[in-house]
Amino acid sequence: GNSVTQMEGPVTLSEEAFLTINCTYTATGYPSLFWYVQYPGEGLQLLLKATKADDKGSNKGFEATYRKETTSFHLEKGSVQVSDSAVYFCALSDRIQGAQKLVFGQGTRLTINP
Amino acid sequence: EPEVTQTPSHQVTQMGQEVILRCVPISNHLYFYWYRQILGQKVEFLVSFYNNEISEKSEIFDDQFSVERPDGSNFTLKIRSTKLEDSAMYFCASSERGHTEAFFGQGTRLTVV
Repeated sequence: GNSVTQMEGPVTLSEEAFLTINCTYTATGYPSLFWYVQYPGEGLQLLLKATKADDKGSNKGFEATYRKETTSFHLEKGSVQVSDSAVYFCALSDRIQGAQKLVFGQGTRLTINP
Repeated sequence: EPEVTQTPSHQVTQMGQEVILRCVPISNHLYFYWYRQILGQKVEFLVSFYNNEISEKSEIFDDQFSVERPDGSNFTLKIRSTKLEDSAMYFCASSERGHTEAFFGQGTRLTVV
């Protein structure tokens, strides 16, 4: 079945550091890929997405490129801020019709120190 | 900005009791979902709901679980007889269409004692 694997957390960085959170997936067909973020005390929010190979999703300085050849969707940001501290979830959906069913990775807790 | 709201934020219940978790999806959305996250584990799909019926459910969603849209605004998850292993964060989500972005609520933390 479909699955998503994220790098183990927690990840602790200093402000302005470069961030990479690795995500790889296993899926049949051509899934859409997502990064969700959960800030303390809040729900899951869509951060960015990509729907086909070589697409790059971007938002709030974060980027991720859909790499079909390596089945990866790594999250990157060039210069992190304290406000980026949150839990980040990689997810996929293989649906093009009907109800979307998201398959999540285990989440990576990110802490940014000033 | 429209949002999905869930109540309560935290519920404590005794084993064997029934609980109902409530969600108000975004008003023009047609697809509704429940997910759960046991502490330290992945967020897992439970069920999707469209056109007043379940469209898909996972193996977790056994006969102890049910969902309902009792009126035009609420979407509920009922656990008939709670077990200790039902303790988790439960997330409601909705989407305008099946393949469009799912918006999540802030979650209900259920603790079964």
